[in-house]
Amino acid sequence: NAGVTQTPKFQVLKTGQSMTLQCAQDMNHNSMYWYRQDPGMGLRLIYYSASEGTTDKGEVPNGYNVSRLNKREFSLRLESAAPSQTSVYFCASSPLLSRRTDTQYFGPGTRLTVL
Amino acid sequence: QKEVEQDPGPLSVPEGAIVSLNCTYSNSAFQYFMWYRQYSRKGPELLMYTYSSGNKEDGRFTAQVDKSSKYISLFIRDSQPSDSATYLCAMSAQDGGSQGNLIFGKGTKLSVKP
Repeated sequence: NAGVTQTPKFQVLKTGQSMTLQCAQDMNHNSMYWYRQDPGMGLRLIYYSASEGTTDKGEVPNGYNVSRLNKREFSLRLESAAPSQTSVYFCASSPLLSRRTDTQYFGPGTRLTVL
Repeated sequence: QKEVEQDPGPLSVPEGAIVSLNCTYSNSAFQYFMWYRQYSRKGPELLMYTYSSGNKEDGRFTAQVDKSSKYISLFIRDSQPSDSATYLCAMSAQDGGSQGNLIFGKGTKLSVKP
């Protein structure tokens, strides 16, 4: 039982390049989330998927797209990377359909640098 | 005013000390309160979870919620060097939709010296 896994662990991009961050969970959770964590800013929600087949914007969605590929996998795509997207990205999942009582389980993070 | 305020520290204490970590919030709709611990270069892990007001104890950790003051606390007794980490408070409202999302504090960095 690996929990939440993320790939890659580290990535360096040039401005304008695209890439996809992968996330998978093996806990049969319904909801999945993408956050970014920046110094002095805390964790900020980018996108979430309350259940398979649905996605919604969070606090900071601009410049990102997501795909809930199936119940296990939720990917985050940067179409044209910008230096402002340099951050640590965390994927999380939670077991309940309703986010009202969520306890979220986090992956180890992807450290992205955009030059 | 931010929805959730948390002193970033850093907070340095000697081993064995009692540690008090706090968050204040402005949204009276928040009903669910959590504390996450994040070690350096790792993802956050859930430490404590409390619904509405009151206290919850788990080993050396006690979480308190005072909804009348919009104030939550995490106490760590007999602190250990292994408790050195960043502690994030998080909370959410009972209503569905976007209000169900977790709102995180910025985290307090704690260092426990041997």
